[in-house]
Amino acid sequence: GENVEQHPSTLSVQEGDSAVIKCTYSDSASNYFPWYKQELGKGPQLIIDIRSNVGEKKDQRIAVTLNKTAKHFSLHITETQPEDSAVYFCAANFGRALTFGSGTRLQVQP
Amino acid sequence: DVKVTQSSRYLVKRTGEKVFLECVQDMDHENMFWYRQDPGLGLRLIYFSYDVKMKEKGDIPEGYSVSREKKERFSLILESASTNQTSMYLCASSLEGALYEQYFGPGTRLTVT
Repeated sequence: GENVEQHPSTLSVQEGDSAVIKCTYSDSASNYFPWYKQELGKGPQLIIDIRSNVGEKKDQRIAVTLNKTAKHFSLHITETQPEDSAVYFCAANFGRALTFGSGTRLQVQP
Repeated sequence: DVKVTQSSRYLVKRTGEKVFLECVQDMDHENMFWYRQDPGLGLRLIYFSYDVKMKEKGDIPEGYSVSREKKERFSLILESASTNQTSMYLCASSLEGALYEQYFGPGTRLTVT
């Protein structure tokens, strides 16, 4: 089946710095790559996604890049703020389902 | 706003009990999903349903069953709860044309003692 590996498992940055989370996937047929943010006590929320026909997508302070040849994609958060502190999950589609990475706990220090 | 609600935030059950976890969505979504979330393992798909009375197994269906009698409701059933089913259970839904854009409920933390 599909395998999605996510690194790092924890990330601590100073407020205002950038944060990068990386994922690799195994199925070359995957063509949809979402990122979810899970705040404490809540369910994951879709924050950005990218499809295989583009290499980069931005939404304000958040960007995602995709390298289909290498089968990896990354989440970039610039000018981090304390409210960015959460667990982030990457995912890739496989058949009719999503396979999720193991998650990254991001802590933004004020 | 899409709303996915789960019947309980916290649940404590004994080994061998039959457990029902309920999920309701109010956006007329065709697809519904059950995941379990464990530290270091991310979210793992248990079952999903793309229509009423339809279901498909996910990656870890053993020990679970599901029921979808109405479009808005998707139930996860643990026929005989075991301690290794202690976990956070997350329900999600999505539109037919946007299978992968999933909206999650707040989760049910189930403890089996």
